[in-house]
Amino acid sequence: EAGVAQSPRYKIIEKRQSVAFWCNPISGHATLYWYQQILGQGPKLLIQFQNNGVVDDSQLPKDRFSAERLKGVDSTLKIQPAKLEDSAVYLCASSLWAGRYEQYFGPGTRLTVT
Amino acid sequence: GQQVMQIPQYQHVQEGEDFTTYCNSSTTLSNIQWYKQRPGGHPVFLIQLVKSGEVKKQKRLTFQFGEAKKNSSLHITATQTTDVGTYFCAGADSWGKLQFGAGTQVVVTP
Repeated sequence: EAGVAQSPRYKIIEKRQSVAFWCNPISGHATLYWYQQILGQGPKLLIQFQNNGVVDDSQLPKDRFSAERLKGVDSTLKIQPAKLEDSAVYLCASSLWAGRYEQYFGPGTRLTVT
Repeated sequence: GQQVMQIPQYQHVQEGEDFTTYCNSSTTLSNIQWYKQRPGGHPVFLIQLVKSGEVKKQKRLTFQFGEAKKNSSLHITATQTTDVGTYFCAGADSWGKLQFGAGTQVVVTP
C-alpha cells in the first residue's frame, strides 16, 4: 500500500513570498489533515478535511494560509505572504475516517523562510 | 480549549533501563493515540486506547489509559538504542480532532 505523498520535501523562500505544498493521501482515506510542526514541538493541526469539506480550520491563520481538497482526494496548502515564523515542517496525514482511526503521516515539507 | 501536556520533555536513559512518559489532558478524551517520531522522520502511529483503564502491550512497550480518560502513560522496559526518538501522545475529542502533546524526546546511551 502506498503511503501519503508530499511535495516538495524542502523549500526555501524569502519572507513575503508565496509557497504551495501538495499532498496525496492514501487511497480510500476520507479524512485529510494538514499539520504544522515547529522544531521541538508537537504537530499542530491547521485544517482537517472530510472528503472535500472542511471539518476544522480553527487554527489556520486565514489571512495568509489557505487549503483546498478538490474532488476529495489530493490537497494543496498555500501560504501567501510568508512570514519568518512560518518556518516549520508541514505534515500531511490521512485516515480512513475521522475519529477512532490512526493517522498516517507523509514525510513532510520543510519550509525555511528567510 | 483542550490542552495535552507531556512530561518529561527529555528522557536520557541508559540502555537496558526502564522509563515512563506521562500524558495529561485538561479535558476528558474520546481516545488517546501514541506516535513515535524518529529524528528527521515523521510521526508513526503506535497504538490507540479507547476504554477507561485500558492497558495495552507491544513487546517492551506498555500503554495505559487513565480511569477518568484524562491521562495516559507509556512505559518502556529494557530500553534499546532503537527506542530513540520523540514519543507523542495525542488526545482525541468526540469529533476525532487530535491535540498533540509536545512530546518526550528519548536519548539512549549504550
